[in-house]
Amino acid sequence: DVKVTQSSRYLVKRTGEKVFLECVQDMDHENMFWYRQDPGLGLRLIYFSYDVKMKEKGDIPEGYSVSREKKERFSLILESASTNQTSMYLCASRTGGAETQYFGPGTRLLVL
Amino acid sequence: SQQGEEDPQALSIQEGENATMNCSYKTSINNLQWYRQNSGRGLVHLILIRSNEREKHSGRLRVTLDTSKKSSSLLITASRAADTASYFCATIDSWGKLQFGAGTQVVVTP
Repeated sequence: DVKVTQSSRYLVKRTGEKVFLECVQDMDHENMFWYRQDPGLGLRLIYFSYDVKMKEKGDIPEGYSVSREKKERFSLILESASTNQTSMYLCASRTGGAETQYFGPGTRLLVL
Repeated sequence: SQQGEEDPQALSIQEGENATMNCSYKTSINNLQWYRQNSGRGLVHLILIRSNEREKHSGRLRVTLDTSKKSSSLLITASRAADTASYFCATIDSWGKLQFGAGTQVVVTP
């Protein structure tokens, strides 16, 4: 079974803090994705990576950056957290060219 | 921007009843996928239907696709309490990225 894990299920941070969200997958998938999920808006793509050291902006990249130094790990960075970044963050991965994605359990981030 | 729009936003049914939810999308597609999300968890892929298919079954799930109307439906037959979840349709854009709708929240009561 594909396993996608995220470093935290719940996280509380203060405005202005630098926040790291980690995602690890164990199936040697090339592609990895970061989404945020907000009520009524569904999932919105923040960043994605087709392979190691590659990154592409998604639909809402502002205020975020990412890092993909190893194939199995994709990190989402909030350089200076703001209250409007309070959300559920979901990581996903897939084999390059595959049509379906495998999701992690999500990190619920609260920025105070 | 959202590609898929699910309808209804919320659905409440009793165990044993069928649940039907619809998805409309905007652009041409190669396939459409349905995912389930249990409360506070990640999404799980349920079923994929290709643009040249009209209907597909997987266990108690039945998916239809009408490309002329740019719509799809997901039917869950003989629902169970464990089917309580949010259901999302998703399409793939030209970059290979999934575009999700806002989801239908289904509550199945015993």
